[in-house]
Amino acid sequence: GAVVSQHPSRVICKSGTSVKIECRSLDFQATTMFWYRQFPKKSLMLMATSNEGSKATYEQGVEKDKFLINHASLTLSTLTVTSAHPEDSSFYICSAWRTRDEQFFGPGTRLTVL
Amino acid sequence: GNSVTQMEGPVTLSEEAFLTINCTYTATGYPSLFWYVQYPGEGLQLLLKATKADDKGSNKGFEATYRKETTSFHLEKGSVQVSDSAVYFCALTWNSGGYQKVTFGTGTKLQVIP
Repeated sequence: GAVVSQHPSRVICKSGTSVKIECRSLDFQATTMFWYRQFPKKSLMLMATSNEGSKATYEQGVEKDKFLINHASLTLSTLTVTSAHPEDSSFYICSAWRTRDEQFFGPGTRLTVL
Repeated sequence: GNSVTQMEGPVTLSEEAFLTINCTYTATGYPSLFWYVQYPGEGLQLLLKATKADDKGSNKGFEATYRKETTSFHLEKGSVQVSDSAVYFCALTWNSGGYQKVTFGTGTKLQVIP
């Protein structure tokens, strides 16, 4: 099967610091990865599309300077939450597209900003 | 814009009961439709999909038919088990300007009691 990992699974940081979350496709190459945010008891909100070799595309309302995305290779995308604040606390999920209709999800990263 | 409307939960059923979770969509063009499942403490997994009208997706006893005339993709299972307890998400994907786009429903929590 297709496996997508995320690291770390949980992170607690102080307000004002930056946090990097990694998303890796372990057994396939993904030119496209998505980053989502999931609020408690709510659905997934697509934040941005990470494209290998080019700039990420951000959804409306998502600050690109706050949520930095780097798609360094065909198996790795990173999301950096810069100058994190308590309102950034959330569950962040990545997905990797193996084909046009096959999207595989990472297990998610719980970010808590104190 | 494209959107998905999913019935609100939680849905509580006894084991071996019939399950229906409604999902309707609004979309232009030719989207693909998906059901994802999120078991407690785990990431999202693809349950089934349908990429064109009248296609039926099926997996693990679950079925859903892509109905363009009613813009629906209702999830059904004839006899649920306790192990089916999870949150179910309906989703729609489409291509816009060469980029994959996706939107999720709000999720329906299913609880199956013995």
